[in-house]
Amino acid sequence: DAGITQSPRHKVTETGTPVTLRCHQTENHRYMYWYRQDPGHGLRLIHYSYGVKDTDKGEVSDGYSVSRSKTEDFLLTLESATSSQTSVYFCAISVKGGLYNEQFFGPGTRLTVL
Amino acid sequence: ELKVEQNPLFLSMQEGKNYTIYCNYSTTSDRLYWYRQDPGKSLESLFVLLSNGAVKQEGRLMASLDTKARLSTLHITAAVHDLSATYFCAVDSNYGGSQGNLIFGKGTKLSVKP
Repeated sequence: DAGITQSPRHKVTETGTPVTLRCHQTENHRYMYWYRQDPGHGLRLIHYSYGVKDTDKGEVSDGYSVSRSKTEDFLLTLESATSSQTSVYFCAISVKGGLYNEQFFGPGTRLTVL
Repeated sequence: ELKVEQNPLFLSMQEGKNYTIYCNYSTTSDRLYWYRQDPGKSLESLFVLLSNGAVKQEGRLMASLDTKARLSTLHITAAVHDLSATYFCAVDSNYGGSQGNLIFGKGTKLSVKP
């Protein structure tokens, strides 16, 4: 699992509440990503980070914010959760392997917004 | 904008049969990845394909890349039940450059029946 943990692993929350998901890596990889996975959509990139305090938007960033104050932690925040944000969230890191970079994924967080 | 299409999206196979999953992408890229996902689990990296004509094999799975046709295939030989999973292809969005973001196909759910 490339030393990636996510917390919590499961969460049920109510519409309008703030939610923060945490991704932690044990190796000092520069790039980290947040994806969401929904049936029929594959994985879609929410935000990514290329270093401490360096983040950028992905394909589906509306309603989400991120922060990276330490290399090992990448936080995803839903400021005011909506039912459309019910999904499985995966964190990933990018590991350099010679001519290419390869992404490895964390175990996922299943979020339900009621 | 890079788009990635997989087909079929669902595949029911009998054990012992051969089949191919196709991954088409819309703009030039030089890095393509295949992942496997078991139900309720994270994504596991299978293959990284870097150049035109690249072919990689692992057990009953063989992946190939044709960058001119913008097509990758994942061929399954003599399927066994253990291969039942969802398979994703992902394409690096930054052709010719360094680290890019991955754009995923919607996945192919493979079910191998006795």
